[in-house]
Amino acid sequence: DTAVSQTPKYLVTQMGNDKSIKCEQNLGHDTMYWYKQDSKKFLKIMFSYNNKELIINETVPNRFSPKSPDKAHLNLHINSLELGDSAVYFCASSQGHGYEQYFGPGTRLTVT
Amino acid sequence: GQNIDQPTEMTATEGAIVQINCTYQTSGFNGLFWYQQHAGEAPTFLSYNVLDGLEEKGRFSSFLSRSKGYSYLLLKELQMKDSASYLCAVRDSGGYQKVTFGTGTKLQVIP
Repeated sequence: DTAVSQTPKYLVTQMGNDKSIKCEQNLGHDTMYWYKQDSKKFLKIMFSYNNKELIINETVPNRFSPKSPDKAHLNLHINSLELGDSAVYFCASSQGHGYEQYFGPGTRLTVT
Repeated sequence: GQNIDQPTEMTATEGAIVQINCTYQTSGFNGLFWYQQHAGEAPTFLSYNVLDGLEEKGRFSSFLSRSKGYSYLLLKELQMKDSASYLCAVRDSGGYQKVTFGTGTKLQVIP
């Protein structure tokens, strides 16, 4: 029983391409997040949604667009990929914004 | 905003006790989390403190002093599997209670 799942686990693509990462949680949580973890292992919040409403939208290029079709799903679409987008992207969920978070396994994105 | 400081790396011996410190400066504070992250894996929740004092959970304990902007995670009877990064995260007191993560402390346990 996977609590928070992400697809794909690995994503290798070329600069300029558009790609999507999907996230689903079966915990019944009302809040979901996207984080970026760079090579220095710093975990930085990108977006959060509470009951499908965008709550946090950090200083992220507008090439990144999140979409929450329902409370159990939060997808991340990235346009015109750049080398600097290479990182591990984690999805997480919590019951209530800012409470204990459950993380997905991560998606390792490599842009060549 | 939040400013969170943790040591970058620590080394400790199997069976020993290690204390990982976290200091923070914040415009508003409403709780502190500790997460564990093994290499190549996702962070997992360890503890949460919102009131001053020590919270004990098996071999792991977490302490908070709000007046000093200081927390520590104490790991007892270290095991090799405790080798991981330990992330301190602070929740602010604003309407949406944003959580900001520190850069993490990489702990290596040696025999």
